[in-house]
Amino acid sequence: AQSVTQLGSHVSVSEGALVLLRCNYSSSVPPYLFWYVQYPNQGLQLLLKYTSAATLVKGINGFEAEFKKSETSFHLTKPSAHMSDAAEYFCAVSFNDYKLSFGAGTTVTVRA
Amino acid sequence: EAGVTQFPSHSVIEKGQTVTLRCDPISGHDNLYWYRRVMGKEIKFLLHFVKESKQDESGMPNNRFLAERTGGTYSTLKVQPAELEDSGVYFCASSQDVRGEQFFGPGTRLTVL
Repeated sequence: AQSVTQLGSHVSVSEGALVLLRCNYSSSVPPYLFWYVQYPNQGLQLLLKYTSAATLVKGINGFEAEFKKSETSFHLTKPSAHMSDAAEYFCAVSFNDYKLSFGAGTTVTVRA
Repeated sequence: EAGVTQFPSHSVIEKGQTVTLRCDPISGHDNLYWYRRVMGKEIKFLLHFVKESKQDESGMPNNRFLAERTGGTYSTLKVQPAELEDSGVYFCASSQDVRGEQFFGPGTRLTVL
């Protein structure tokens, strides 16, 4: 069965520091992989999506993620955190293009 | 263009009562999805509509949950009777194509006392 694990339910970073959010999946076949972000009182917004075209995926707001099949990982990074990046981030996988399976989420706090 | 909207934003009911959640997808989106996040858990898929037809309701917890999408526009999710474990945030999403990006609404926070 497919599953997604996000390491760390809370991450605190200083403004300007690297943001690294970890996501590992378990699957016998390559999945589609996603990162979503939820700002307070808003819906989930797609940050980026991996569909096997390229292992390094660039998303919105300066985020990117790298698919590593050997490590079954899809970690999300941003070189320099901004205060506006404070939100909850979700990694998700899909095998049939519509049913998303989500990780538990990681809340990012940015310190001034 | 308006996004996915959900009503109400919050609902507090007592165990045994009935609650109906509503989702208005983005205009023209044939695909509509319901997801749920129970406190401290992952967001879980509930079901998928294509227009007015249920394509996949494998995630529906039990027969106390009834989803409809009359006319293929807005959708409702009724919980009857509500139980304590039904508390959580219910998200709706829509997409133009089944492989397209799912756009999520802000969710309805349901609290069952």
